[in-house]
Amino acid sequence: DARVTQTPRHKVTEMGQEVTMRCQPILGHNTVFWYRQTMMQGLELLAYFRNRAPLDDSGMPKDRFSAEMPDATLATLKIQPSEPRDSAVYFCASGPSGTDLYGYTFGSGTRLTVV
Amino acid sequence: AQSVTQLGSHVSVSEGALVLLRCNYSSSVPPYLFWYVQYPNQGLQLLLKYTSAATLVKGINGFEAEFKKSETSFHLTKPSAHMSDAAEYFCALSGGYQKVTFGTGTKLQVIP
Repeated sequence: DARVTQTPRHKVTEMGQEVTMRCQPILGHNTVFWYRQTMMQGLELLAYFRNRAPLDDSGMPKDRFSAEMPDATLATLKIQPSEPRDSAVYFCASGPSGTDLYGYTFGSGTRLTVV
Repeated sequence: AQSVTQLGSHVSVSEGALVLLRCNYSSSVPPYLFWYVQYPNQGLQLLLKYTSAATLVKGINGFEAEFKKSETSFHLTKPSAHMSDAAEYFCALSGGYQKVTFGTGTKLQVIP
């Protein structure tokens, strides 16, 4: 089965450090999403890309978060500097053209703990 | 604007009993609706989707959902719960532009 691969699966870091999370979308999927999941807020859309271009990052704190797609096989989410409130599970998801119709495929997530 | 409301953050059923997870939606355009399942420490997995064809949609693991426009609902059901069904279930709505709105999730507990 084709899958979305996220690395690392777990990350513990100290407050103030830079964190980079990576995602390899399914080959051929042209839409990539970043979600954050916490107990309090549930699933929040942070950003999404179509054909590597950012379409919407309004859900992302701009002062510390950045998302990029350097190429079609890699999406990155960076937090600099990290804060304890950023502790969450970060999911990447990808979908083909017409994702409205087909739904997304999610990765297994990166569990981030900022101490 | 679009929104999804899942009624009940926790639902408990006995093994073998009917599973019913409720989802209501609001959308200004014809919606596409989805149910996703999340097992512990995993990502979300697509269970089934409604895309304006048949109103009764069958998904994986014996689940099905019925789209009822008059009630703006898309409830998820399974005739007989299995222990392996214990997970969190998310209803989701897409009204276009490839952005999907997720509900807050319902955790299903299956009691032996």
